[in-house]
Amino acid sequence: DAGITQSPRHKVTETGTPVTLRCHQTENHRYMYWYRQDPGHGLRLIHYSYGVKDTDKGEVSDGYSVSRSKTEDFLLTLESATSSQTSVYFCAISEYGRGSGNTIYFGEGSWLTVV
Amino acid sequence: GENVGLHLPTLSVQEGDNSIINCAYSNSASDYFIWYKQESGKGPQFIIDIRSNMDKRQGQRVTVLLNKTVKHLSLQIAATQPGDSAVYFCAENIVTGGFKTIFGAGTRLFVKA
Repeated sequence: DAGITQSPRHKVTETGTPVTLRCHQTENHRYMYWYRQDPGHGLRLIHYSYGVKDTDKGEVSDGYSVSRSKTEDFLLTLESATSSQTSVYFCAISEYGRGSGNTIYFGEGSWLTVV
Repeated sequence: GENVGLHLPTLSVQEGDNSIINCAYSNSASDYFIWYKQESGKGPQFIIDIRSNMDKRQGQRVTVLLNKTVKHLSLQIAATQPGDSAVYFCAENIVTGGFKTIFGAGTRLFVKA
């Protein structure tokens, strides 16, 4: 298994509260990603990082922010959680950013419920 | 494709039989493909990959076939076991237009004992 640890694994929070999900990797991979997975939508990219302090938006970035202060850590923050952000969040890593060989490895997921 | 209906396609096979799971990918510029297995409550797990310059690649009990003419990918699982029950989905890496990996919605495999 890829050395990816997500925390918390499960969280219930109230609408309007801030939430931070943490991802820690031990593979020293340059690229890190946050995806959400919802029925009917598959995996959708929220944000990704291509290096320390280098991040970019994915296809569903509204309402989310990220930070990467160290190679091994990638944080996803919901500034003010909404019920539409109830989902399973997966952190992922890859050694390369694109093309052949860009295998993306996933963490075990963080289940977030916004009530 | 990226957006599919709520209900995943389902494949039900008898234990010991071979399974074939199919995936239609979207972009002729994709040069790298991956199959993932996702068990309930867990993250997607890498199974096998294939580059666009190959037609077939074999792993342990799994084979991936790539048909670029019709943009079709398949995963064959030999002697399917109960532990193979999961959702399987493919991913494609698109070379042009910036960074993009597209994930399929998946197929749910049930293995009957």
